[in-house]
Amino acid sequence: DAMVIQNPRYQVTQFGKPVTLSCSQTLNHNVMYWYQQKSSQAPKLLFHYYDKDFNNEADTPDNFQSRRPNTSFCFLDIRSPGLGDAAMYLCATSRDGRWLGRANGYTFGSGTRLTVV
Amino acid sequence: AQSVAQPEDQVNVAEGNPLTVKCTYSVSGNPYLFWYVQYPNRGLQFLLKYITGDNLVKGSYGFEAEFNKSQTSFHLKKPSALVSDSALYFCAVRDPDNYGQNFVFGPGTRLSVLP
Repeated sequence: DAMVIQNPRYQVTQFGKPVTLSCSQTLNHNVMYWYQQKSSQAPKLLFHYYDKDFNNEADTPDNFQSRRPNTSFCFLDIRSPGLGDAAMYLCATSRDGRWLGRANGYTFGSGTRLTVV
Repeated sequence: AQSVAQPEDQVNVAEGNPLTVKCTYSVSGNPYLFWYVQYPNRGLQFLLKYITGDNLVKGSYGFEAEFNKSQTSFHLKKPSALVSDSALYFCAVRDPDNYGQNFVFGPGTRLSVLP
């Protein structure tokens, strides 16, 4: 089945040690998003790729970066994780465009729960 | 700017009873509205959406929602709740005329269905 896959499901990292979370999709969606979710709060958008164009949210810390080497894959890099970065990280995709319309919802992966020790 | 409110942090309902999870929105034009459900340690799953047409939208797992333009609401409903419906529910809005704007999620409502 076409889907959004996030690896790993659970990640434990040390304070200050760089960590990378991965997301892949078989939907051929042109937009990919990274969200941070803490304690059953609403997901908070960190950034998204519209095709190859990177769009950073204004309040996303510099500690968070992303790469999208091709349509199918997107990575979230946390350069120096702090205790406050412990959260669920959600990847989502959508099929958007001026001609495609904006009526499509997002398809989410199962998330990666990051623990910082 | 668009926004979404879910006025109840928590909704408790007995199994077999009808349930309602409330959502109100603010957007400049005609909204695209969505409901998502999140089970523990999982991503968000799409339930249903309103784009245009019939105000009553039917979705997955027996859920439905009614778009009310005058009240700017999009409440989620189910005639008979199941214990397995217990989860976190998010309402989201998109402004179709604001090309650069992504989803805006509400704060979430935790639904507990008691056996």
